[in-house]
Amino acid sequence: AQKVTQAQTEISVVEKEDVTLDCVYETRDTTYYLFWYKQPPSGELVFLIRRNSFDEQNEISGRYSWNFQKSTSSFNFTITASQVVDSAVYFCALSEANAGGTSYGKLTFGQGTILTVHP
Amino acid sequence: GAVVSQHPSWVICKSGTSVKIECRSLDFQATTMFWYRQFPKQSLMLMATSNEGSKATYEQGVEKDKFLINHASLTLSTLTVTSAHPEDSSFYICSARDPPAESTDTQYFGPGTRLTVL
Repeated sequence: AQKVTQAQTEISVVEKEDVTLDCVYETRDTTYYLFWYKQPPSGELVFLIRRNSFDEQNEISGRYSWNFQKSTSSFNFTITASQVVDSAVYFCALSEANAGGTSYGKLTFGQGTILTVHP
Repeated sequence: GAVVSQHPSWVICKSGTSVKIECRSLDFQATTMFWYRQFPKQSLMLMATSNEGSKATYEQGVEKDKFLINHASLTLSTLTVTSAHPEDSSFYICSARDPPAESTDTQYFGPGTRLTVL
């Protein structure tokens, strides 16, 4: 069975600090997808990134960057120069897929990390 | 991007009543939709997979007779919480899958429905 662990329950930083949110996953499949979502107080999930298991390239999008390491089963998320608007709950999620790369669609979420950025 | 709506956005009901929550894909057809439940300060837990024209597949521990799911069309799935009790109070979120993008698993989430059972 798959499992996603976000060991950091809450993180508090001051604006402009860099912050890294950890995500460790477990799966028996060789083909899978990893995701990060942001959930602001409104509750609606905001999609941030999807990464398939064969693509270990790190990705940068503005102030966001992701580090995927299959050797340690980790998919960490870094926010550079954090801002108050980054305050939210962040979820890491995993979706297993068949050998052809088609996802089964069911997402397993981590427990979430509450990020608070203080002005 | 694609849009998924949920209705109502919040509902308060008395214990013992049934509540129906709708999930609609507004600009695409979704053969598969998923229903998640999120308790306060907790993670999202998958409840069931809703497939158009067939029975829903429920996750272990989810009572199918209590949480009725109907996916009668390619743009609408409904979740009915039957005989609701206070412990059913939660945030219910649906997601819809865009078929052409199934190989890359593009899912779009609705804004959620907050259910409070008194």
